[in-house]
Amino acid sequence: AQSVTQLGSHVSVSEGALVLLRCNYSSSVPPYLFWYVQYPNQGLQLLLKYTTGATLVKGINGFEAEFKKSETSFHLTKPSAHMSDAAEYFCAVSDIRSGNQFYFGTGTSLTVIP
Amino acid sequence: GAGVSQSPSNKVTEKGKDVELRCDPISGHTALYWYRQSLGQGLEFLIYFQGNSAPDKSGLPSDRFSAERTGGSVSTLTIQRTQQEDSAVYLCASSFSGIGYTQYFGPGTRLTVL
Repeated sequence: AQSVTQLGSHVSVSEGALVLLRCNYSSSVPPYLFWYVQYPNQGLQLLLKYTTGATLVKGINGFEAEFKKSETSFHLTKPSAHMSDAAEYFCAVSDIRSGNQFYFGTGTSLTVIP
Repeated sequence: GAGVSQSPSNKVTEKGKDVELRCDPISGHTALYWYRQSLGQGLEFLIYFQGNSAPDKSGLPSDRFSAERTGGSVSTLTIQRTQQEDSAVYLCASSFSGIGYTQYFGPGTRLTVL
C-alpha cells in the first residue's frame, strides 16, 4: 500500500534562511506527488505537483520540489523563508494502482522566526 | 468560477445528535473526496466518489458515518449519534477524473461535539 512520511512535524527557520521540508513515499509504481499548504484558518491549496517529465518542479511563492526516484523522496524547498510562509504543509501521493485515491502525510508545521 | 464550497462552516452539536455536512464540488469534477482533520493530525481519508461508480467507503471509521452524492454533484456526509471524538474539521475536495489531477479543497466544516 502507498504511504507518505513527513519527517519533522514541526520545523522552525529564521526569516531569510533555507526552508527544507522532507517527504518520503512508498509506491511500487511511478507516483504522482503533491505538496499542499494550509495557512492558518484557511483551506488546503496546491503548492506544486509532479506527474511526469522534469523531476524538479516549481510551485507558487518560490517553492520547488525535486522528485528523486532512487531515494523515494519529494522534498520541498525554498531558498529564503518569509514570515508569510508560516503554515502547515502536507505531502501527498497517488499512483495508477490507487486510482484517484490520495494518501497524505501527517503534515509539517513551519514556523518562521523573525 | 466557484471553488468547492462547504456548509455549514461551523457546527456545534450535542453528543448523540445526528449532523449533516454538505459539499458542493467544482462543476465538471467527477471525483469527490471527504477527509477528516483532527487537531494536530494529518488528513484522514473517509470516502471517495467517482462518477457513477460505487463509492470507496474504506476510510469511514464506523457505521455511524455515511455519505451520499446526488446527481453526481452535491454530497452530504452524515454522522449519526455523534460522539466527542467526532470533533474535527471535515474537508471536502473534488477533482477531474484521472490520475494525477489536482484535488481542490473546500474551506471545511468545523464540527464540535459537546
